[in-house]
Amino acid sequence: AQSVTQLGSHVSVSEGALVLLRCNYSSSVPPYLFWYVQYPNQGLQLLLKYTSAATLVKGINGFEAEFKKSETSFHLTKPSAHMSDAAEYFCAVSAATSGGSYIPTFGRGTSLIVHP
Amino acid sequence: KAGVTQTPRYLIKTRGQQVTLSCSPISGHRSVSWYQQTPGQGLQFLFEYFSETQRNKGNFPGRFSGRQFSNSRSEMNVSTLELGDSALYLCASSLEEGGITEAFFGQGTRLTVV
Repeated sequence: AQSVTQLGSHVSVSEGALVLLRCNYSSSVPPYLFWYVQYPNQGLQLLLKYTSAATLVKGINGFEAEFKKSETSFHLTKPSAHMSDAAEYFCAVSAATSGGSYIPTFGRGTSLIVHP
Repeated sequence: KAGVTQTPRYLIKTRGQQVTLSCSPISGHRSVSWYQQTPGQGLQFLFEYFSETQRNKGNFPGRFSGRQFSNSRSEMNVSTLELGDSALYLCASSLEEGGITEAFFGQGTRLTVV
C-alpha cells in the first residue's frame, strides 16, 4: 500500500522568500515520486519527477525537490517565490502493485499563497 | 502539439440521470487515466485505459465506467447520478503507464449534480 501526506493545506510566503512545501510518503517498495501544480480552473502540470536516478531533482520554474529515503520525504523548494507561483501543489507517489501496475496516489494538496 | 482536450467543460445534471464525459489525449499517447477531484476527498484515481483495455481501476462503484477507442480517445460514464458525484473530473494522458511516466492533464469537466 502507498500513501502521501502533505503537511499544511495552506502555506503563505512573501514574494522573494523561500518556498518549502512538505511531502511525506509511505511505500513498501521503491516508489516514483511526483510534484504537480494546478492553477485555478486548470488541470495539473508536472513540476518534477523522482525516478531513483538522482536524489536532488530539478524541475521547471526554479523548483527542486530532494528525495530522502531515511525520512520518507520529498519536499519541494524554491529559493525565491514569485507572485506567479501562487497555486495548488500536489505530491504524488506511485509504486508497483502486486499485479505489477503503477497507480499514482495524490496528496490532498497545498495551496501556496504569495504576498507582495 | 495539441494538449489533452476534455469536453464539455461544464455540465449540470439532475440526480438519477447519467452522464458521459469525453477525453482526447495527446497524439501518440496510449494511456488515458481518469480522476475525480473534490474539496473533501482530493484527487482520486478512477481508472486507466491502455490500448483500449482497462488496466487499472480505483475504488469507485460500478456506476462509474469508461472505455477507450482505437484512436485512444476515451469516454467516462456515470449512471444514476448522486449529489456526491459533483466534482471536477480530470483526464490525463501518458505515453506509457500513467503511474510511471509524466501525465498530461486536461482542464477537466466540472460536473454539478442537482
